[in-house]
Amino acid sequence: DAKTTQPPSMDCAEGRAANLPCNHSTISGNEYVYWYRQIHSQGPQYIIHGLKNNETNEMASLIITEDRKSSTLILPHATLRDTAVYYCIVRVHSFGNEKLTFGTGTRLTIIP
Amino acid sequence: DTEVTQTPKHLVMGMTNKKSLKCEQHMGHRAMYWYKQKAKKPPELMFVYSYEKLSINESVPSRFSPECPNSSLLNLHLHALQPEDSALYLCASSQTQGAGAKNIQYFGAGTRLSVL
Repeated sequence: DAKTTQPPSMDCAEGRAANLPCNHSTISGNEYVYWYRQIHSQGPQYIIHGLKNNETNEMASLIITEDRKSSTLILPHATLRDTAVYYCIVRVHSFGNEKLTFGTGTRLTIIP
Repeated sequence: DTEVTQTPKHLVMGMTNKKSLKCEQHMGHRAMYWYKQKAKKPPELMFVYSYEKLSINESVPSRFSPECPNSSLLNLHLHALQPEDSALYLCASSQTQGAGAKNIQYFGAGTRLSVL
């Protein structure tokens, strides 16, 4: 399985952009990068995903390097409600099945 | 509606009890998942059902028995659990399985299980 590496924790000031890095140097050509977050005592919440191109939705932007070995999730204007554990995941295909294998994630704390 | 509903929210059981966790979705999804999450750890996949058939079992002990009675329901039957099985059990669903699918998984809030 393609492994992801994320910093264990980060702080960001409220109102600033939060940039969360992820390394996935063993990713294969057809494997997607997914980002989820988990707010305390809730189930994980989908944020965004991408394959090669940069992606943007109402929650965040995803920047994937040209060699696809790393990516950055950007929360453009962080609020206190963005405090959560953020997981970068490479979706794995195996014999027609797909799995999301969660790494250890980054605990993002938004500072007032 | 992107809701996955899990019941109960909390469950306390003894090691000799039999209990079941329930998961329900009405998004027309044909893939459903069970995850286990220990405190301060990431979720770990246990089982995957695709079109009501078990497609992935991540070597889970037989004291956990999944069941998918129809495309909207997923159960996890528990029997003779150990204290170390205490965890948050998460259910998820997605449109389908298979390469190229837009496989966004939607998670429920989980059942917090304590085994005494």
